[in-house]
Amino acid sequence: TQLLEQSPQFLSIQEGENLTVYCNSSSVFSSLQWYRQEPGEGPVLLVTVVTGGEVKKLKRLTFQFGDARKDSSLHITAAQPGDTGLYLCAGEAFPQAGTALIFGKGTTLSVSS
Amino acid sequence: ETGVTQTPRHLVMGMTNKKSLKCEQHLGHNAMYWYKQSAKKPLELMFVYSLEERVENNSVPSRFSPECPNSSHLFLHLHTLQPEDSALYLCASKSMRGDYGYTFGSGTRLTVV
Repeated sequence: TQLLEQSPQFLSIQEGENLTVYCNSSSVFSSLQWYRQEPGEGPVLLVTVVTGGEVKKLKRLTFQFGDARKDSSLHITAAQPGDTGLYLCAGEAFPQAGTALIFGKGTTLSVSS
Repeated sequence: ETGVTQTPRHLVMGMTNKKSLKCEQHLGHNAMYWYKQSAKKPLELMFVYSLEERVENNSVPSRFSPECPNSSHLFLHLHTLQPEDSALYLCASKSMRGDYGYTFGSGTRLTVV
């Protein structure tokens, strides 16, 4: 069974601080995806990383895929109250018929001004 | 609006009721999924449909019955549910042609009383 361990589970910080969320597994994934979910809504895709060692930036968010494609991290620089939400990492084994995303438990981020 | 529409948004049903959840997408995706999101648990995959054929059941109780009449529509038929089935039920779709990202609907918040 493939599992994704996400940490920390909860994070409460002040505006302007930096933070990192980790997503780890003993399994290899063909892709690792990060989603953000607001209360009462479904997850929204932020980024997909597919190559070992890949780094992607989305404004103040930096995503990294581990060299062995088993882990990933999300780093937010100078967090703002608008970053508040649930961040989910999800891995896909191989994109073929019948495979689906496996999710971590998520990180609930609260940024106060 | 993500392109994946779920109805109803909220549903309260008794344990002896029969109801159905509906999911619709017009993104041209050819794989659709039902996920269950409960508090303090990772999103749990329930069903996968690829090219309108069910690929994975994932050991879901028979009181949940999926139906995929065409590539744009997905249903989840519910009967004789238990209070522990109360959760957010999320539908997602994806293209099998190499685009890794999943598009989620806003979910149906189900409460079983």
